[in-house]
Amino acid sequence: DIQMTQSPSSLSASVGDRITITCRASQSISTYVNWYQQELGKAPKLLIYAASSLQSGVPSRFSGSGSGTDFTLTISSLQPEDFATYYCQQSYNTPRTFGQGTKLDVK
Amino acid sequence: QVQLQQWGAGLLKPSETLSLTCGVHGGSLSNFYWNWIRQPPGKGLEWLGEIYHSGSTFYNPSLQSRLTISIDTSKNQFSLKLTSMTAADTAVYYCARGSYGPGKDHYSYYFTDVWGKGTAVTVSS
Repeated sequence: DIQMTQSPSSLSASVGDRITITCRASQSISTYVNWYQQELGKAPKLLIYAASSLQSGVPSRFSGSGSGTDFTLTISSLQPEDFATYYCQQSYNTPRTFGQGTKLDVK
Repeated sequence: QVQLQQWGAGLLKPSETLSLTCGVHGGSLSNFYWNWIRQPPGKGLEWLGEIYHSGSTFYNPSLQSRLTISIDTSKNQFSLKLTSMTAADTAVYYCARGSYGPGKDHYSYYFTDVWGKGTAVTVSS
């Protein structure tokens, strides 16, 4: 199985901050990475697929980059509704493994 | 707008079998992959498996011996059965749709874009 390792596991920030979350794959997976946002008590929501393609309806302050083994999710200017947990997922093969999550909370 | 509505028993005893069903509303099963994903309390997401509309299945090897995913195109729904449940299987179980879309390089990429609301399942004697 491909292991996906996210860092940091938690992050404190303020409204307006720029933040970056990193995901590292245990083997090269090209750009087969998705990013999801999960608010407390809700189902995950797709933000980014193919490492850098923005899902329809997702604000442009979200962006993704990377290829091979190292990937990043960036939020350019945090909004109050962005405080949530974020997960990466590899779609290179099955099982479609997730990172362990990054919890973003208010500083 | 496709919506997924899921249902099934939420409280099980050890050794019992979990049965969940996910109905697809406002869209077809065709040409999509239909997933089950779970999340133990306070933990991360675990992909369990998926089924294509044709019936082809892909399972997480860690659960393959206990897991069956099936599809009923006549009812526009798909189902999960997980046998020999233990406390370690306590989780919120999500159904979700897997799709392919073009990336910036115009290749097709897989993603999970529609999710059910989740069913909380507790295993306790």
